Amino acid sequence: NAGVTQTPKFQVLKTGQSMTLQCAQDMNHEYMSWYRQDPGMGLRLIHYSVGAGITDQGEVPNGYNVSRSTTEDFPLRLLSAAPSQTSVYFCASSYPPGAGANVLTFGAGSRLTVL
Amino acid sequence: ELKVEQNPLFLSMQEGKNYTIYCNYSTTSDRLYWYRQDPGKSLESLFVLLSNGAVKQEGRLMASLDTKARLSTLHITAAVHDLSATYFCAVDISGNDMRFGAGTRLTVKP
Repeated sequence: NAGVTQTPKFQVLKTGQSMTLQCAQDMNHEYMSWYRQDPGMGLRLIHYSVGAGITDQGEVPNGYNVSRSTTEDFPLRLLSAAPSQTSVYFCASSYPPGAGANVLTFGAGSRLTVL
Repeated sequence: ELKVEQNPLFLSMQEGKNYTIYCNYSTTSDRLYWYRQDPGKSLESLFVLLSNGAVKQEGRLMASLDTKARLSTLHITAAVHDLSATYFCAVDISGNDMRFGAGTRLTVKP
């Protein structure tokens, strides 16, 4: 099992450009989520999904879009990148919370710089 | 506003010493998780605490949860260099919404 795979690992954008961070998991997890990690602020939840076709906003959703067309994939889209979106992004997945503990399996992270 | 506060944020320890990291949170929850992150790496699950009074131990680390005080602790016993990492607590608000603390960067010196 590959676990949670994120691409790309590094990306540099100019302000106003768009891009998609890819996230795929092969563990048949229903729950997937995106976090951003900024120094001194821990991880903040951007969007999450509890299954194919179902997405919801987290703590900091502005400037980001998501979709969940399959159980395996959960891409994060930046429509018009801003310097404030410079961060390290983590995708995570888990079994449904109703199954007990919501222990997240994280991807390796994607470091995004917006100039 | 929901807050998850860890302290200290930075901790430098000598090998062999004991110390405790604290995680206070401001909402009702009986599910709390601890994760470890090595520099430049992803996060790995350490402990899952699912009820008041829960205590889990793994090697030199022990985590506990007091839901009435809204407090979790991560106790380090006889620290070794390999424990150097950043430790995060995360509070499960709704089953779908996980809120993380800012992290405690631990450095263990010989």
